[in-house]
Amino acid sequence: SYVLTQPPSVSVAPGQTARITCGGNNIGSKSVHWYQQKPGQAPVLVVYDDSDRPSGIPERFSGSNSGNTATLTISRVEAGDEADYYCQVWDSSSDHQAVFGGGTKLTVL
Amino acid sequence: EVQLVESGGGLVKPGGSLRLSCAASGFTFSSYSMNWVRQAPGKGLEWVSSISSSSSYIYYADSVKGRFTISRDNAKNSLYLQMNSLRAEDTAVYYCARGPLIAVAGTLDYWGQGTLVTVSS
Repeated sequence: SYVLTQPPSVSVAPGQTARITCGGNNIGSKSVHWYQQKPGQAPVLVVYDDSDRPSGIPERFSGSNSGNTATLTISRVEAGDEADYYCQVWDSSSDHQAVFGGGTKLTVL
Repeated sequence: EVQLVESGGGLVKPGGSLRLSCAASGFTFSSYSMNWVRQAPGKGLEWVSSISSSSSYIYYADSVKGRFTISRDNAKNSLYLQMNSLRAEDTAVYYCARGPLIAVAGTLDYWGQGTLVTVSS
């Protein structure tokens, strides 16, 4: 089955840029979606189809995807961005299934 | 406004059964695929199952295949998850999430607040 690998944690100072990676075999050929989850809350979609933003998501959130790595970039990080972030793809190669990365805890120092 | 409200969670003994429901509103339910995703305490997100808009396509994670059944009633704007032969490792918050229009594969753009299922003797 398809595996997505994320770093367990990323730390960044306010105002700086945070980059959260999501590794997978030839992930560049798939559409990658990113979710933000704050403690006690449901996940929220922040980037879909590699680099598109849903309405209401700040332009500070952006995404890219190439080769074996997809990246969520958060510019001008704010304290309110502290959360867990998950990448997700749909794997149609064998059994059809949605696959989530293990999640990355973003800490704002 | 899109709303997804889960219900039916609770405490159940190992080997028992539970049926979760998800009431949808604010969009044309019959046009969208739907999903169940769960999160064990302190753990990450785990996809459970997906169903296409007309129920023609249904997929399950290996961890629940043969024990869980996803279904929907488009007339009632409702999604269901019948869970049988429950195990301790099924303990989690279960989220209902909207999938893409028509197709199954894609993003999960709206999520409910979740319902907690605890499997314990």
